Amino acid sequence: GQQLNQSPQSMFIQEGEDVSMNCTSSSIFNTWLWYKQDPGEGPVLLIALYKAGELTSNGRLTAQFGITRKDSFLNISASIPSDVGIYFCAGQGYSGGYQKVTFGTGTKLQVIP
Amino acid sequence: NAGVTQTPKFRILKIGQSMTLQCTQDMNHNYMYWYRQDPGMGLKLIYYSVGAGITDKGEVPNGYNVSRSTTEDFPLRLELAAPSQTSVYFCASSGLSEDLQETQYFGPGTRLLVL
Repeated sequence: GQQLNQSPQSMFIQEGEDVSMNCTSSSIFNTWLWYKQDPGEGPVLLIALYKAGELTSNGRLTAQFGITRKDSFLNISASIPSDVGIYFCAGQGYSGGYQKVTFGTGTKLQVIP
Repeated sequence: NAGVTQTPKFRILKIGQSMTLQCTQDMNHNYMYWYRQDPGMGLKLIYYSVGAGITDKGEVPNGYNVSRSTTEDFPLRLELAAPSQTSVYFCASSGLSEDLQETQYFGPGTRLLVL
């Protein structure tokens, strides 16, 4: 099955630094989603993007839906220890009559206090 | 709303045993999904449902079965458990968010170990 190319796979950053991660795909999506997963928990939706070129913020998080509809990035500003977790991008679009969601492989974020 | 709930949280099975993973949502969503997540990997779709009485296969359906008799419930059945089914299973549902966009919500997951 198709998966999105998400990078970086993992990163260690100092508390207070900004973080950037991105996803690229060979397919066009109608929606881009960014999730965060804490250990032992299910993914929690952070930001949803519905239009090409859209730039959306949620507190310290900012995400953009690429103009080509094949990529998206997520920025976290002024990182804090609770930002630790795995971040997944997901592309959503209709396929075979249903809303198919394709997930990236995740970016593992470690924040050093 | 409780959102998406899953039971059990954790289960150990012997090879060849069967079990049902339960999933319930109280958001009146039409779409429901079952994913599995292997260590260090993203989520792979097992089965999905677009409404009560309608189910279809995802990317990795072999070894699993589902049913959708009500809008709220979407159980996943393993008939003959195999070690390759050791994974974390997530149920999700999707429906319109406050801004009338289709958004997917996940349950907390069921960790399954097959020995």
